[in-house]
Amino acid sequence: DAKTTQPNSMESNEEEPVHLPCNHSTISGTDYIHWYRQLPSQGPEYVIHGLTSNVNNRMASLAIAEDRKSSTLILHRATLRDAAVYYCILRPTHFGNEKLTFGTGTRLTIIP
Amino acid sequence: KAGVTQTPRYLIKTRGQQVTLSCSPISGHRSVSWYQQTPGQGLQFLFEYFSETQRNKGNFPGRFSGRQFSNSRSEMNVSTLELGDSALYLCASSLEWAPRDTGELFFGEGSRLTVL
Repeated sequence: DAKTTQPNSMESNEEEPVHLPCNHSTISGTDYIHWYRQLPSQGPEYVIHGLTSNVNNRMASLAIAEDRKSSTLILHRATLRDAAVYYCILRPTHFGNEKLTFGTGTRLTIIP
Repeated sequence: KAGVTQTPRYLIKTRGQQVTLSCSPISGHRSVSWYQQTPGQGLQFLFEYFSETQRNKGNFPGRFSGRQFSNSRSEMNVSTLELGDSALYLCASSLEWAPRDTGELFFGEGSRLTVL
């Protein structure tokens, strides 16, 4: 299974942008890059996903390297509510929940 | 619309007992997958069901089993509980109906199992 590597933790000041990196050097051509986050005492929630091109939605932006071996989740203006563990995962197909590997994610702390 | 519902939310068992956890997916979702979350191992994939068939299985012993019913509701069972089975068990559902499916997984809040 393709794996991802993320920093264990990051800190950011409130109302500043946050860039969360993810390395996936063994990504295959058909793997989708998905990001989820898990707020305290909740199940993970979907943030964004992409294949090759950069993506934007109301929650965040996803920047994908040209060789697709890394990606960056961008929170444009962090709030205290964004404090969570962020997971970068690879999905082998568009749908079909093959053995998804979440890893341990990045714990994001927002400083007021 | 209602989200993914997991029951019970909390439970305490003793070693050697067995436990059954339930998951009701979002209406219309056909795939249900289960994950175990522990502080040391993070989120680990248990298995996934689609149309009442187990489609994928993670690296867990045979004590962990599951099933899916015709209404897509799913249950997982852990027999002969061990202390190490203490964890948050998360269920996720997804639509699996192209082209509307974005590949998004919808997670429940989990069932927290404590084994004494």
